This record gives sequence, structure tokens and C-alpha cells, in this order.
Amino acid sequence: GENVEQHPSTLSVQEGDSAVIKCTYSDSASNYFPWYKQELGKGPQLIIDIRSNVGEKKDQRIAVTLNKTAKHFSLHITETQPEDSAVYFCAASLGDSNYQLIWGAGTKLIIKP
Amino acid sequence: EPEVTQTPSHQVTQMGQEVILRCVPISNHLYFYWYRQILGQKVEFLVSFYNNEISEKSEIFDDQFSVERPDGSNFTLKIRSTKLEDSAMYFCASKVGTGDGYTFGSGTRLTVV
Repeated sequence: GENVEQHPSTLSVQEGDSAVIKCTYSDSASNYFPWYKQELGKGPQLIIDIRSNVGEKKDQRIAVTLNKTAKHFSLHITETQPEDSAVYFCAASLGDSNYQLIWGAGTKLIIKP
Repeated sequence: EPEVTQTPSHQVTQMGQEVILRCVPISNHLYFYWYRQILGQKVEFLVSFYNNEISEKSEIFDDQFSVERPDGSNFTLKIRSTKLEDSAMYFCASKVGTGDGYTFGSGTRLTVV
């Protein structure tokens, strides 16, 4: 079955700098890759997602890139702000119908003022 | 913005007791899910539900677990005869259709003592 690996487990960056979180997946049939942000005491919130027919997607300071050949995808956050501090999860799924999300282990992002 | 609502936010139960975790998905959503997150571990898929029946379930979702949509708005997860290892954060999620992203609730923290 699908397996998603996420790195690093903790990332500390200076406010204003960029942060990059990387994930790899094992099942080449996976075609939907969301990223979730989880703040303390809250459920995961979808921040951006990408499908396998697209190589890059951007939404203001957040972007996701996908390399289907290498089976990895990355989250890029530019001009980081204190409110970006949270745990970020990547996930993968077959995308259609009810297919479950397979999650990475999460990255704790710390923005230093 | 529409939300997925979960109650209670925290439930403490004695080992062997039954618990019911409640969720109110977003009203026009058709697909419903339960995930759980044991402290320090990955988010794990439990079950998906569509058209009043289970469409997919994981190995975790054994006879101890059941789901129900009793009245067209609530979506419940019942855990019979709870065990210590059932202690986790349980997240409900819903989505409109097959190609859409999930909306997660804030979770119920279940503590089995």
C-alpha cells in the first residue's frame, strides 16, 4: 500500500525567511496531494493541494511542487510570519471517490521572531 | 465559513466502556470520514461513509467500531469496550464530492483510563 515519508520533523526558520517541507510517496497511482496545517487544539486545515496533472501550484506565499517521476512533492512557504508556526502534514491519495488519505508524520514549523 | 462540528472536545472513559463520538458534517457534503491520531504518531484512516453505508475501512476499524448517520445530519463513531490503546484524537471530515478536498473538525480527544 501507499506510504508517505515527510521531512524534516522539526523546522525552525527566521521570520521572513522561506521554509521548505518535503514528502515522498511510494504508490505511483496516487494522484492527489494535499497539505494540511494543524494549530494547537484544532483539526487539520487544508492549505493547498495539487493533482498529478500539475507540476506546481501557488497561492500567495504558499506553493507546492510535484515531481511524479521521483515521487516527491514539497511545500514552500515564503516570507514566513509568526502565524505560520504550526504542524504541517502532507498526504497522498488516489484522489477519486472515497479513497483514504495516507498521511506523512508531520513537520513542526517554528518561526523565530 | 461552514464548519465540521465535533462533540465532545474531550472525553474521558473507563476501560471497557462504550463511547459515542459525534460529528455534524457540512450540510451539503456527501462523503464522511473518521481519522484518528495517537499522540506522537501519524494520522490514520479509520472509515469512509457514503450513501448511508461504509465505502472503505482500515484494518483498525474492526468489530469494536461502528458508524452511523442516524438522522441525516449527525455522523457518529461508536467504540465498544474501549481499550487503553484507543486513547487518541479522533477527527471527523467531510467533503462535497469525489474530487474535492476534505474539511476536518477540531477533533475529540478520547482518553481511556
